Amino acid sequence: DAGVTQSPTHLIKTRGQQVTLRCSPKSGHDTVSWYQQALGQGPQFIFQYYEEEERQRGNFPDRFSGHQFPNYSSELNVNALLLGDSALYLCASSGGLADSYNEQFFGPGTRLTVL
Amino acid sequence: AQSVSQHNHHVILSEAASLELGCNYSYGGTVNLFWYVQYPGQHLQLLLKYFSGDPLVKGIKGFEAEFIKSKFSFNLRKPSVQWSDTAEYFCAVNAYSSASKIIFGSGTRLSIRP
Repeated sequence: DAGVTQSPTHLIKTRGQQVTLRCSPKSGHDTVSWYQQALGQGPQFIFQYYEEEERQRGNFPDRFSGHQFPNYSSELNVNALLLGDSALYLCASSGGLADSYNEQFFGPGTRLTVL
Repeated sequence: AQSVSQHNHHVILSEAASLELGCNYSYGGTVNLFWYVQYPGQHLQLLLKYFSGDPLVKGIKGFEAEFIKSKFSFNLRKPSVQWSDTAEYFCAVNAYSSASKIIFGSGTRLSIRP
């Protein structure tokens, strides 16, 4: 049973560029959450997708957007990259309704470096 | 707003020593509490969780945590650590009213001397 997968593993971009990160949830899961983990910090919640809609959002600017596809996979898009966007981006999936807590399983993350 | 504080940034212990990592959260309502672990080069994984009931919860690999509601604390303990426990440990809280949004602490790096 494949767990949560993310691509790419590493990515290097320059300031002002745009980036798209991808996530495939664990088999049987329909909810995807995205987190940003800066160096030396804990993960910070960006947003969550369920039934192809953004259900919850953390304190991140509109430059951060996402999408969920009918097969439950998800994308995280970041526009106008800043140096401070350099971080490990984690995807977590869970099963069940987004209005109740279900254990989240994390992927390995995508390491984004902005130069 | 919810927040989680982990008091120790880096803890260094010898094998067989006892471990206690502190965690305090701020939120006045009902919460779910977690400890996650991130071993070097591996995914973030759940160590243990508290939803309700017995405030002393047991997790994998001999870890346990105690929820003390009056102190807003959820400290992680292990009576005898092993070299393989070297990892980053994150305390996290999920407010009952905010579904699956998890707020993480800044983490504690645990180094075990063999």
